This record gives sequence, structure tokens and C-alpha cells, in this order.
Amino acid sequence: DAKTTQPPSMDCAEGRAANLPCNHSTISGNEYVYWYRQIHSQGPQYIIHGLKNNETNEMASLIITEDRKSSTLILPHATLRDTAVYYCIVREYGSGNTGKLIFGQGTTLQVKP
Amino acid sequence: DTAVSQTPKYLVTQMGNDKSIKCEQNLGHDTMYWYKQDSKKFLKIMFSYNNKELIINETVPNRFSPKSPDKAHLNLHINSLELGDSAVYFCASSRRAGGFRGYTFGSGTRLTVV
Repeated sequence: DAKTTQPPSMDCAEGRAANLPCNHSTISGNEYVYWYRQIHSQGPQYIIHGLKNNETNEMASLIITEDRKSSTLILPHATLRDTAVYYCIVREYGSGNTGKLIFGQGTTLQVKP
Repeated sequence: DTAVSQTPKYLVTQMGNDKSIKCEQNLGHDTMYWYKQDSKKFLKIMFSYNNKELIINETVPNRFSPKSPDKAHLNLHINSLELGDSAVYFCASSRRAGGFRGYTFGSGTRLTVV
């Protein structure tokens, strides 16, 4: 079962920042937070991941709270092409890990003109 | 070049038939996966192979048989197709089991059983 809780849907105006929240209150110390998105009819796409510190890449920023029980994915300037389902996933990394990504329901982000 | 490619993209077939879906990755990854996305859009892992060895088998009916001839290919054969098998099947790969850098997914195969 997915270990995360996300709102089912959100709207965002084009050009504005989209802030997608995720709760993972049962996260353990060696579990990372991953974000993927799925644009309609395509395969999921990796966005970003983090453990404790905030992370930024060319696609997005990831803000993880100090207690690590929640995080926020930030798309700084949302475009219509960012309309997708966004999945927040927690997963353990380490030796012997079989690498199983468990997807929840995700948040459907609708970017509006 | 497509990193993870699946064929066919669409597959319509009758109940009871046997069909195969193929997946190839040119990323040099060691681990490959099959995921199923049903009509409610839930993505569920089915199988995973690491260097041709099966490492994940998620309680999938034995009508589904994955085969990995080499680490760049992972095929899925389905016997005696049922209506409930209709879904989009995604192949994915990662550098290794654990996939620190994340997974790369294919564009999916939409299977419709009639």
C-alpha cells in the first residue's frame, strides 16, 4: 500500500507556482521521497527525489519538513504542459532493496490559462 | 532514440487468446519492470527482473509469464486472456534494483480484451 496522502486534485494558473503537498507521516529514517508525474496517456516521468534536505533541479523544487512527515513539490512557473497526475512516493534505498515503487492515487494538477 | 520502447502500442484481442508484449531498453540498465494501470488509473507493479533474474513477482495470475532473454529486454506473455486483463501495461527500467536515480518508463501498451 502507498505510504503517502495527497489531495486528489488541484488547479493552478499558468505562469504561477504550483505547490503540491504530500503527507508521509510514517516515513522511516532511510526512506526517500520521490516525485513522478504522468501526463495523459504517457508513462510516468521521474521529477525529483530527496531524503532530508531541500532539492532543486531543472524541473522542480522539493521542500521536505524538518520532521520529514510531509513535503511539497514546487513547479515554479507552471505551464499548460505541466497538467498531469503527480505522484509522491516514499521508498527505502539501500543494499538488498528490490526497487519496488508503489504508486498511490496522486494529485491531478490542472494548469489553466 | 527511445530509451524504453514497447511494442505494440495498442493491442485488441478476443477473450481466450494468447498475446505477448515486448519491451527493450537502450539505457544499459540492469533492472526492468512491468506495471499495470487499470481503468481506475492505479499503477501496480507486476514483475521485476535484475540481470535476467526474476526478483519481484507480485501475486500475478500464472497466466502472465515474463521472460527476459537478456538484460535489455523484458517480454510479457499472457495466456487465455480475460476481460479483466484490459489495461495499460508499462515497462520500466532502472540502473539497478533500488534505482537510486529513478525509473524510466516506456509509453505503454494499451491492451483491450473483447
